Amino acid sequence: QVQLQESGPGLVKPSETLSLTCTVSGGSISSYYWSWIRQPPGKGLEFIGYIYYSGTTNYNPSLKSRVTISVDTSKNQFSLRLSSVTAADTAVYFCARDFGDNSGGWYFDLWGRGTLVTVSS
Amino acid sequence: DIQMTQSPSSLSASVGDRVTITCRASQSITNYLNWYQQKPGKAPKLLIYTASSLQSGVPSRFSGSGSGTDFTLTVSSLQPEDFATYYCQQSSSTPWTFGQGTRVEIK
Repeated sequence: QVQLQESGPGLVKPSETLSLTCTVSGGSISSYYWSWIRQPPGKGLEFIGYIYYSGTTNYNPSLKSRVTISVDTSKNQFSLRLSSVTAADTAVYFCARDFGDNSGGWYFDLWGRGTLVTVSS
Repeated sequence: DIQMTQSPSSLSASVGDRVTITCRASQSITNYLNWYQQKPGKAPKLLIYTASSLQSGVPSRFSGSGSGTDFTLTVSSLQPEDFATYYCQQSSSTPWTFGQGTRVEIK
């Protein structure tokens, strides 16, 4: 079955750029939308943005100036870059498949296990 | 952005209880409302999509209803493995947004 796995540094210094990669295994990244979602410790979920396998993106306006999501179909991976990080960006970062069905609904049907990124000097 | 408000924020219940969680949207989202269950240290798991469709593999004791701005998630008979935090999420317009979560604890 399709599985997602996040990877990247667990510690990032303030003002630097957070970089994470999500590897999709057991299936193709093509023909789907792929998202990043984050969850600060003890808090709720925040949608960061999504990318279509063709490269089309949609970002949360609250983070848009600092976020870049990219895709590498040859590696079956998509990536997140978040620049100028502060302590407020400390969170568990999840990658997920954003599935669109025939009725127009969209939902996160597959998730990675998540990776904790701490912003600290 | 569409604001999602869940109630209650937490509840205590016993095994076998019927539990209902409410989610309200700040504007109409027709039926583009999803429910997730999250256990500590784990990723959220999709339970219900488009308000009332049960995700494959999810027990039938979970059900969802509602349209427009008001939605409910019901667990007909709470089981030990159901103690978790539940989130609603709208997919009517981007940015997708989540409710703040409802923590279901053991009484």
